Amino acid sequence: KAGVTQTPRYLIKTRGQQVTLSCSPISGHRSVSWYQQTPGQGLQFLFEYFSETQRNKGNFPGRFSGRQFSNSRSEMNVSTLELGDSALYLCASSLEGASETDTQYFGPGTRLTVL
Amino acid sequence: GESVGLHLPTLSVQEGDNSIINCAYSNSASDYFIWYKQESGKGPQFIIDIRSNMDKRQGQRVTVLLNKTVKHLSLQIAATQPGDSAVYFCAENLTPSGTYKYIFGTGTRLKVLA
Repeated sequence: KAGVTQTPRYLIKTRGQQVTLSCSPISGHRSVSWYQQTPGQGLQFLFEYFSETQRNKGNFPGRFSGRQFSNSRSEMNVSTLELGDSALYLCASSLEGASETDTQYFGPGTRLTVL
Repeated sequence: GESVGLHLPTLSVQEGDNSIINCAYSNSASDYFIWYKQESGKGPQFIIDIRSNMDKRQGQRVTVLLNKTVKHLSLQIAATQPGDSAVYFCAENLTPSGTYKYIFGTGTRLKVLA
C-alpha cells in the first residue's frame, strides 16, 4: 500500500504570495491532519479534516486554511505569506482519527521557503 | 535531507550501548502518548505508544516509561544501532475523549557513534 504523499516537495515563494500544498492519504484513510515544523517551534498542529469537514483546529491565524475532497485528498492554503511561514509542512493520515490506536502515518513533507 | 531542527538537544551514544531519551509533557490530563522517530528527509515514524494507565510498555528493542507524577516520558533503545540515528519526538494527546489532537515535544537528536 502506498504511503502518504505530499506535493510539491519543495517550494519557494515571496512575501505576500499565497501557496497551496497537497496531500494524498494512504488508501482507505479518511482523517488527514496538517502540521507545521520549524526549528524554533517544533511540530505544531494546524488542523484535521475528516469526511470533508474540519474537525480540529490548532492555534494558527486565518491565513492558514485547508480543505478535504471526497476522495480524502487534502489541500492546505496559506495566503499573504510571511517570512515566518518558512517551514516543513507535514501531512498525516489515519483511518478515522478517532481512536488512540488509530496511528497517524506521516508524509515526507513539503519544504516551503518564503523570501 | 530535511533539517528538522538546528538547535535540538543531542544525545551521542556508542553503537551497542543503550540510549535513553527523555521528554517532559505539558498537560496532566493527557492520557495517551506516542514516540516518533524522524530521519533526515522523512516524516515522523511511529515507534511506540503508551496509555496513562500504564507505567511501562515494551516493544522490539524499545521501552517507554511514563511517570505521571512528574509528567515525564522516556524512551529506552537497547543495543543502539547506526540506523537509530534520527530525531525523536514525544507526542501527547490533549483530547482524551473524541477525536485526537497531538502536541509534540521539541525533539532530541540521537547520534550513534561507530
